[in-house]
Order: sequence, then structure tokens, then C-alpha cells
Amino acid sequence: DQQVKQNSPSLSVQEGRISILNCDYTNSMFDYFLWYKKYPAEGPTFLISISSIKDKNEDGRFTVFLNKSAKHLSLHIVPSQPGDSAVYFCAASELQGAQKLVFGQGTRLTINP
Amino acid sequence: GAGVSQSPRYKVAKRGQDVALRCDPISGHVSLFWYQQALGQGPEFLTYFQNEAQLDKSGLPSDRFFAERPEGSVSTLKIQRTQQEDSAVYLCASSLARAGGGYTFGSGTRLTVV
Repeated sequence: DQQVKQNSPSLSVQEGRISILNCDYTNSMFDYFLWYKKYPAEGPTFLISISSIKDKNEDGRFTVFLNKSAKHLSLHIVPSQPGDSAVYFCAASELQGAQKLVFGQGTRLTINP
Repeated sequence: GAGVSQSPRYKVAKRGQDVALRCDPISGHVSLFWYQQALGQGPEFLTYFQNEAQLDKSGLPSDRFFAERPEGSVSTLKIQRTQQEDSAVYLCASSLARAGGGYTFGSGTRLTVV
């Protein structure tokens, strides 16, 4: 039972364009969502988060959008840079600061020069 | 230290062998977590400590898995009688109590059971 789903295993985007990574969840108790970025042979690195009281959070080139009615969130990266090439995981928890995160399967993003 | 340190980075174990994986969290981080990441999947929660207390072990897949953090700092994840399905990357993470910004992960230990 996959409570957090990233349906696109991979995504290829041209440098300078917008990258959009999608995530769906099924557990209506989730109210805090995070995106992590992972390079090979390293642990995931926290990127950006959003709580359910918001529908948008922005940090530099990264923006996360939350649609609670659709149980859907997305990460927008603009403009995309070669260093953004990595695996991106979305994660969810039932309470901000809660100690258990449920992760999606990841999307491998490749930025082409 | 500056980050979460895990050792060893790689471990090859024969089926049936016991293994111990070590995690040194960021100094002062109260919360410590273990996750298991199978190939091509996202990390899956195993267990959580707050200081030395193991508050949630709901993700441990069997009683062959055991974790401890006796002094509220370094933690060890032990797997007894390893099986091939235990092959995965084991990730440790730490955070300040109720850190809303997410955990800091270590680089993981890649366990291969042959």
C-alpha cells in the first residue's frame, strides 16, 4: 500500500527550462510535506517543505505547490540547472515535526545542457 | 561532527551472519531515525529514538532487527541471521527535537547479503 506515489520514474528537462515533479498521496491525515534531493552515494538532502495550511511555498528557484483536495503536490524548479540532476523524493507526515516520514519512490531528474 | 556519520559505508555479509551498523548523529541532535532503502525505492521508516528512548519501532520488519542508542548519542542497528531480502541501503538521520525543516541524513550503509 503505497501512501505516497511518484508516478514518473524519470524526467528529462533542458537547462534553463522549468522542471515539474509530481507527487500524489492517499492518506488524508498527512498534513506536512517535504521534498528531498539525492545524489548518488549520498543521503537525501532536505530541499523544501510545506504544511497543509498553505498551498504554496517558495525558496529561490524552488516552489512547492499543494492541492489538498486532489491530494497532490508538485515541485517546480526554474530555471533548471545541470546541478539539479538528481533523484527527488517527496515525503509526508501526519504532523509537522513528527518523527516518521513516508517517502515516494523517487523521480530521477536529468537536466540536459 | 558536522554531519551524520555512518559506518561501514559498505558491508557484504554471508546469509545467516549477524551485522551491526553504526550511526553517529550530529552533536546535540535529540532525535535519531533509521530508514531502509531498497534498490529503486524510497526510504522506508524503521525506527525512531528520542535521546536514548526508542519511541517508535513499528517499521522494523522482523524480530531479527534490533536498534539501540544507550547513551542518547551513537546508535547501532543490528540485524541477526541476515537474509538476502535484507540487502538495502540503511540510512540514519538526526534532527533537533521537532525540527520542521526535515532531518539530516547520513550517506548510508549499503548492505549486500550473499
